[in-house]
Amino acid sequence: KQEVTQIPAALSVPEGENLVLNCSFTDSAIYNLQWFRQDPGKGLTSLLLIQSSQREQTSGRLNASLDKSSGRSTLYIAASQPGDSATYLCAVRRDNDMRFGAGTRLTVKP
Amino acid sequence: DTGVSQDPRHKITKRGQNVTFRCDPISEHNRLYWYRQTLGQGPEFLTYFQNEAQLEKSRLLSDRFSAERPKGSFSTLEIQRTEQGDSAMYLCASSPQGARETQYFGPGTRLLVL
Repeated sequence: KQEVTQIPAALSVPEGENLVLNCSFTDSAIYNLQWFRQDPGKGLTSLLLIQSSQREQTSGRLNASLDKSSGRSTLYIAASQPGDSATYLCAVRRDNDMRFGAGTRLTVKP
Repeated sequence: DTGVSQDPRHKITKRGQNVTFRCDPISEHNRLYWYRQTLGQGPEFLTYFQNEAQLEKSRLLSDRFSAERPKGSFSTLEIQRTEQGDSAMYLCASSPQGARETQYFGPGTRLLVL
């Protein structure tokens, strides 16, 4: 059974810092990995999707990497802003089964 | 707005009552998914449809839960005889056909069972 773990569970940083969120998964036979953002009480917003054949994806200040063989992904956020405060979830996809981690709750202080 | 919509956004009910939630996917998406999310956890897969066919159901989907997508467009999720443990956020997502496609999520329906 696929298990997805996110570390740390919570992170607080001052504005302007670069930061890394970690995601690990136990079964490397995945189609893709996706990073989402979730604001309190809201749905999920897709940030980046990395197919299993890819190593990384970039969007603006966000960069996500994937090392399928070791079962790891990182989400790098450059020059963090208070508006980045949210919970960040990673999810791995195999067939029609998407498994989520519990998320990292990020707070960026002004 | 052409995103995924869900109704209602919030529902408070008493234990034992039935509730029904609706999801309207992005119009050209033929895949529709339901997830449940409890506080502090990531979403858990419940079921998915390809057009009107329900192709997979999680073990989490007990016999009190039923989902339909009668015309391959909107979907409903009904919970019968609600229990306090059903309190959660119920999320709907849609995607184009293909297991490698991005899923687009709705805002969710937050259920509280008293």
